Amino acid sequence: KAGVTQTPRYLIKTRGQQVTLSCSPISGHRSVSWYQQTPGQGLQFLFEYFSETQRNKGNFPGRFSGRQFSNSRSEMNVSTLELGDSALYLCASSGWQNGGNEQFFGPGTRLTVL
Amino acid sequence: AQRVTQPEKLLSVFKGAPVELKCNYSYSGSPELFWYVQYSRQRLQLLLRHISRESIKGFTADLNKGETSFHLKKPFAQEEDSAMYYCALGGSGTSYGKLTFGQGTILTVHP
Repeated sequence: KAGVTQTPRYLIKTRGQQVTLSCSPISGHRSVSWYQQTPGQGLQFLFEYFSETQRNKGNFPGRFSGRQFSNSRSEMNVSTLELGDSALYLCASSGWQNGGNEQFFGPGTRLTVL
Repeated sequence: AQRVTQPEKLLSVFKGAPVELKCNYSYSGSPELFWYVQYSRQRLQLLLRHISRESIKGFTADLNKGETSFHLKKPFAQEEDSAMYYCALGGSGTSYGKLTFGQGTILTVHP
């Protein structure tokens, strides 16, 4: 099976702009989670979607949003970008194999805000 | 609240020496714990999950609910084990799909 893919791999934006990141899960997986990874804060959970519904949300401002499509592909959007949004954004998919939280990660999108 | 603590940011050992990466967690429900590894320039990948109780690449981890720990161990470290290791706690019920990660431990295995 092909792994989780994320596009684009790199992005450079300026403060105040908005950005959309895309994630394609492993075929058959219906759950997609998003994480922000920074050197200072580590890996932090943003939100999780299952069957087009957001089921969980982390402690991030409303500028961070997401959605999931009927084919399980997911997008996340960050509006009014701030310098502190510079990070590696990871998405992960889960098929709930063996009934657990086992998640498979994509390579990430490196966002730089200038 | 879910919390994962990895007390060591850096850990250095010599090849052939035993290695133990510590992980403690805080969770009121029934925990689901994982170890993820990130090798240089590679994506985060699952190494172990406590439910499967298997050994991957010589690593094992035992869930100790009394001490709320899930330490990762390997009896003889190899240079290719050098990587960043994350302990992660999975939610249950309404928190399914949310992993809480520790800060990670950078393991360096010297020749």
